[in-house]
Amino acid sequence: RKEVEQDPGPFNVPEGATVAFNCTYSNSASQSFFWYRQDCRKEPKLLMSVYSSGNEDGRFTAQLNRASQYISLLIRDSKLSDSATYLCVVNSPGNQFYFGTGTSLTVIP
Amino acid sequence: GAVVSQHPSRVICKSGTSVKIECRSLDFQATTMFWYRQFPKKSLMLMATSNEGSKATYEQGVEKDKFLINHASLTLSTLTVTSAHPEDSSFYICSARWGTSYTDTQYFGPGTRLTVL
Repeated sequence: RKEVEQDPGPFNVPEGATVAFNCTYSNSASQSFFWYRQDCRKEPKLLMSVYSSGNEDGRFTAQLNRASQYISLLIRDSKLSDSATYLCVVNSPGNQFYFGTGTSLTVIP
Repeated sequence: GAVVSQHPSRVICKSGTSVKIECRSLDFQATTMFWYRQFPKKSLMLMATSNEGSKATYEQGVEKDKFLINHASLTLSTLTVTSAHPEDSSFYICSARWGTSYTDTQYFGPGTRLTVL
């Protein structure tokens, strides 16, 4: 089983829609979780960090479910500029970072 | 957030030459830096973990003699692609670890696009 798994998508949603991505992780002892955004031909940029149950920043909400070992990213009122690949990253014991393969989002006018 | 720079941003070279890529943490000290490569429309692939003052740890399948890593200071790590070949053409991205063990976060450099002719 992979350390981190993500639905690769693609997700194609209309402007203004709400979209959610899930990411599952295999190591129950993992302590910190991150969502990064990567635009085409650019480096990943940190979007949100999650250390406890969740985090919210404007239209973006990240939630952690330790019992089911997944984190989610919710984007409300999608904008065209939200189109990107969203990477889930898990920091496991031993300070190993594990990356998901990314979920592709396209927001359509 | 923390700032990581990478130089050069783009390089084109002839087959057989060596290319050095620098990764710098500009506003923090990074004991650990990571080197990744990414092919078009593919996910990041971790190549090696670079620790200041010690040898890099390479992932399985990555040739350490081909991809030389030097982490001479807390703010600089270099990746040298030796005797580059067209199949080495890729997007190389470094990242630096910032924070305490619990709040460790990676910040990425802008990447270097290598094209080997």
